[in-house]
Amino acid sequence: AQKVTQAQTEISVVEKEDVTLDCVYETRDTTYYLFWYKQPPSGELVFLIRRNSFDEQNEISGRYSWNFQKSTSSFNFTITASQVVDSAVYFCALRGTGRRALTFGSGTRLQVQP
Amino acid sequence: DAGITQSPRYKITETGRQVTLMCHQTWSHSYMFWYRQDLGHGLRLIYYSAAADITDKGEVPDGYVVSRSKTENFPLTLESATRSQTSVYFCASSESRLGDNQETQYFGPGTRLLVL
Repeated sequence: AQKVTQAQTEISVVEKEDVTLDCVYETRDTTYYLFWYKQPPSGELVFLIRRNSFDEQNEISGRYSWNFQKSTSSFNFTITASQVVDSAVYFCALRGTGRRALTFGSGTRLQVQP
Repeated sequence: DAGITQSPRYKITETGRQVTLMCHQTWSHSYMFWYRQDLGHGLRLIYYSAAADITDKGEVPDGYVVSRSKTENFPLTLESATRSQTSVYFCASSESRLGDNQETQYFGPGTRLLVL
């Protein structure tokens, strides 16, 4: 069975603060894929990143960075110098080998106050 | 614009009525999915389809029926709506390339369904 845990239900920060969203996953597959999606107040789901289990390099994209650690089964997401536009619900998701559907965490609601 | 669309975007219905949610994608993606989003549960898979005329159950299929006669369309039908089916429904699609298991799912805008 696969499972994704996002223990932080809601986080509130002030603009320009750095914030890290945690994601811990469980899978028995040796090859798997991890994803982050953003759901802004408008409701759509926006793809942010995909990470393959055989590639443990961290990734940075502008103010966003992702830390993938197989040893702790974590795939954390950091927003540097947060902005009000970052306010959204963020979902971590997992897909195992041979599976097509995603297993989602319950999401973390991030509120960035001006 | 090409992409994945859902209709209607909002729907109010009554218990016992049949409701069909539509999903259309213009990418010719092989795989299509239906998820429902409920507070505290994230998104849960209802049904998915690997190609036209091939469908399979997900985590929460009870009370739902799907069909896929054309690659681009994947309608979801609630045969007899119940209040517990009040939710936000998302359709998604992904490409399937032989030997490549890395495809990403892209989501439609969602349909908010209220069952009274």
